[in-house]
Amino acid sequence: NAGVTQTPKFRILKIGQSMTLQCTQDMNHNYMYWYRQDPGMGLKLIYYSVGAGITDKGEVPNGYNVSRSTTEDFPLRLELAAPSQTSVYFCASNTGPYNEQFFGPGTRLTVL
Amino acid sequence: AQTVTQSQPEMSVQEAETVTLSCTYDTSESDYYLFWYKQPPSRQMILVIRQEAYKQQNATENRFSVNFQKAAKSFSLKISDSQLGDAAMYFCAYRSADFGNEKLTFGTGTRLTIIP
Repeated sequence: NAGVTQTPKFRILKIGQSMTLQCTQDMNHNYMYWYRQDPGMGLKLIYYSVGAGITDKGEVPNGYNVSRSTTEDFPLRLELAAPSQTSVYFCASNTGPYNEQFFGPGTRLTVL
Repeated sequence: AQTVTQSQPEMSVQEAETVTLSCTYDTSESDYYLFWYKQPPSRQMILVIRQEAYKQQNATENRFSVNFQKAAKSFSLKISDSQLGDAAMYFCAYRSADFGNEKLTFGTGTRLTIIP
């Protein structure tokens, strides 16, 4: 199993540009999450999904959108990039709400 | 809202010695889960240990153990026989036991350095 994979690893965007961060897991996990980690801080939940077709907002959803058309994929969309979205983004998944979350390697995004 | 506080931004320990990382949290809930995650320079988040609040017994995983004090809302991590590979950021995290409340609340982390 590859676990949780994220692409790209690094990206630089200009203000106002759009992009999609990809996340795929091959563990057949129903639950998937997107977090951001700002410098010197812990992770904050952006969006999560409890299964295909079901998504919900986390703590910091503004400026982001998600979709979950399959169990494996959970892309995160930034429509109008802003400098405040400069961060490291982590995708995670697990089998249920109380179980260990498996994290991807992260995407470092810089918005200039 | 729950908060998690890690008051030690940095800690260092001699190789083979024991170190304790502190974590306190604030909640009005009686049932919840607590976690310690390790983040090495590779940025990967790795679960170290987990504690269910309804269990009085402290969780242990090999060289890692916790001191869970529910009344004091304290959840410290003890690393015994420290190894060079233990060098990383360590994050304490809280999760409500309420079904549907999916948020993991993280502390700001403690950077652990292992001195050879």
